[in-house]
Amino acid sequence: DQQVKQNSPSLSVQEGRISILNCDYTNSMFDYFLWYKKYPAEGPTFLISISSIKDKNEDGRFTVFLNKSAKHLSLHIVPSQPGDSAVYFCAARIDAGNNRKLIWGLGTSLAVNP
Amino acid sequence: EPEVTQTPSHQVTQMGQEVILRCVPISNHLYFYWYRQILGQKVEFLVSFYNNEISEKSEIFDDQFSVERPDGSNFTLKIRSTKLEDSAMYFCASSEPDTRSSYNSPLHFGNGTRLTVT
Repeated sequence: DQQVKQNSPSLSVQEGRISILNCDYTNSMFDYFLWYKKYPAEGPTFLISISSIKDKNEDGRFTVFLNKSAKHLSLHIVPSQPGDSAVYFCAARIDAGNNRKLIWGLGTSLAVNP
Repeated sequence: EPEVTQTPSHQVTQMGQEVILRCVPISNHLYFYWYRQILGQKVEFLVSFYNNEISEKSEIFDDQFSVERPDGSNFTLKIRSTKLEDSAMYFCASSEPDTRSSYNSPLHFGNGTRLTVT
């Protein structure tokens, strides 16, 4: 049951250019979306999030866009840096009080080439 | 910056043996979680824990699994009789208490314990 889908398993971008990572979801009850970054041998690290009542959230080089009608969100990294090379996970949450279960995508492996 | 720490980093066990994976969440956090990732597959929710009890568990979290917060700082995951398919990376996470500004506080993850069942 793939409620959160990241259809691109990998992406390669030149340093300084824009990286766009995409995520699609099927459950309209999701109220909150998060992007996590993961380096090998480390746990996921929170990057940026967006509430379902917004369509954009920006934090430095990272911007997340949400299109609720299309059930689609994207993470933009501008400019991309070699240190951004990691696996990026999209995750979604259903508002359930104390039950903060996240549903995860499979991840997209980003390689930023110098 | 405070961290979630997990020990051991790698655990090898024989099928049928019990294992305990240990986690020390961030000290002022009140919500605790276990997730796992089988190699090549998704990160999967196992269980969430709040106010000294399980608040939600997935279908993966069957009677072989249990969690405990024995002493106010550690948060453990026990697998009573391990199976080959339990081999995975197990991640502990914690998050802040609810406040007006942190209702949507993100989960902070440890670096994981790689469990190998042979």
